[in-house]
Amino acid sequence: RKEVEQDPGPFNVPEGATVAFNCTYSNSASQSFFWYRQDCRKEPKLLMSVYSSGNEDGRFTAQLNRASQYISLLIRDSKLSDSATYLCVVDPSSNTGKLIFGQGTTLQVKP
Amino acid sequence: DVKVTQSSRYLVKRTGEKVFLECVQDMDHENMFWYRQDPGLGLRLIYFSYDVKMKEKGDIPEGYSVSREKKERFSLILESASTNQTSMYLCASSLPDSSYEQYFGPGTRLTVT
Repeated sequence: RKEVEQDPGPFNVPEGATVAFNCTYSNSASQSFFWYRQDCRKEPKLLMSVYSSGNEDGRFTAQLNRASQYISLLIRDSKLSDSATYLCVVDPSSNTGKLIFGQGTTLQVKP
Repeated sequence: DVKVTQSSRYLVKRTGEKVFLECVQDMDHENMFWYRQDPGLGLRLIYFSYDVKMKEKGDIPEGYSVSREKKERFSLILESASTNQTSMYLCASSLPDSSYEQYFGPGTRLTVT
């Protein structure tokens, strides 16, 4: 079983749609959680951190459910520029830098 | 702006060759990382370094070694390249107290024939 699992998609949605991605992790002792974004043929970049209380940044909301060991990312009012691959990332032990990346979920927003 | 640069964007090598991939960061970051990214497998950590002359194995170190002689530079070495090392190689750096925020280079697409 992979340590971090994501549905690879692709998710094809029209502009303005709301889309949600989920990610599950296997290590219940994992400490910290993040979403990275990777544009086509570009490097990954940190999008946002994920907290149990939820984390909202504009149209993006990230949520953590420790009991079920899953992380979600919600994108409201999708824009064409949101088209990218979204990587779910887990830090299994605090701040070692040994991040575990999911394979990514690809989003394509269409006009 | 943090800048992480990698020596080559594309590289083609033959089986058995020794391959050097160079990575330089300009933000005085202590931590540096080497990953490979393959379809369906995501990013996997090969080696990382917390400081000059320090190195730690990641999840898939076999067939690779690293060198960190200067703080800004982290080199990945394929001692004897094999076809299963064909991949996208990404270097990253971070500060020690925020190692979750890693800044990546543009990547090197290595093909071993």
